[in-house]
Amino acid sequence: SQQGEEDPQALSIQEGENATMNCSYKTSINNLQWYRQNSGRGLVHLILIRSNEREKHSGRLRVTLDTSKKSSSLLITASRAADTASYFCALLLNSGAGSYQLTFGKGTKLSVIP
Amino acid sequence: GAVVSQHPSWVICKSGTSVKIECRSLDFQATTMFWYRQFPKQSLMLMATSNEGSKATYEQGVEKDKFLINHASLTLSTLTVTSAHPEDSSFYICSAQTSGYYNEQFFGPGTRLTVL
Repeated sequence: SQQGEEDPQALSIQEGENATMNCSYKTSINNLQWYRQNSGRGLVHLILIRSNEREKHSGRLRVTLDTSKKSSSLLITASRAADTASYFCALLLNSGAGSYQLTFGKGTKLSVIP
Repeated sequence: GAVVSQHPSWVICKSGTSVKIECRSLDFQATTMFWYRQFPKQSLMLMATSNEGSKATYEQGVEKDKFLINHASLTLSTLTVTSAHPEDSSFYICSAQTSGYYNEQFFGPGTRLTVL
């Protein structure tokens, strides 16, 4: 499978705590992206990390990428109730002939309890 | 940042009718657009890759005669669900890819299709 696999499938934490989600994959990637999706809504792009990068920050988000272990993690610090959503990792793969394809994992459902 | 819009946001139709969904890149040109489908509580599944001026490339298991894709300009791709049936009810999301080295994709807000 060329999908990323998120872990855990579901996570419930108290407001103010940190939330960590992981994504593992099996193939070579061009970059890895994290998205958020509120129930019944569209995708919100959170952060993109390229294959030659190891860590990126954006506000309360911290993403790491370990290409040797083929894994990435998304850390949300000081979580808020508004962070409740499903989080997906997506892999940008080179599908040949100059074409690229984005494949999504099944997501982690995060619930932040006020 | 780059903005992608979809129209309509939601649509309810009777079984047997055809529905057209538009995907527009508002502030950039997109040679390539992608169409995804997402069933409730599931991940996005790529349906097809749409290239401006050429035929779309469909993923395995996606019927090209049922899901017609037209990418007539660098800012517009359309997906037409022909003879829709209740099992076609889903959330359809498009994305537009920027040109350049990193080929980033920007997603539209999605279109919820309900077929009665």
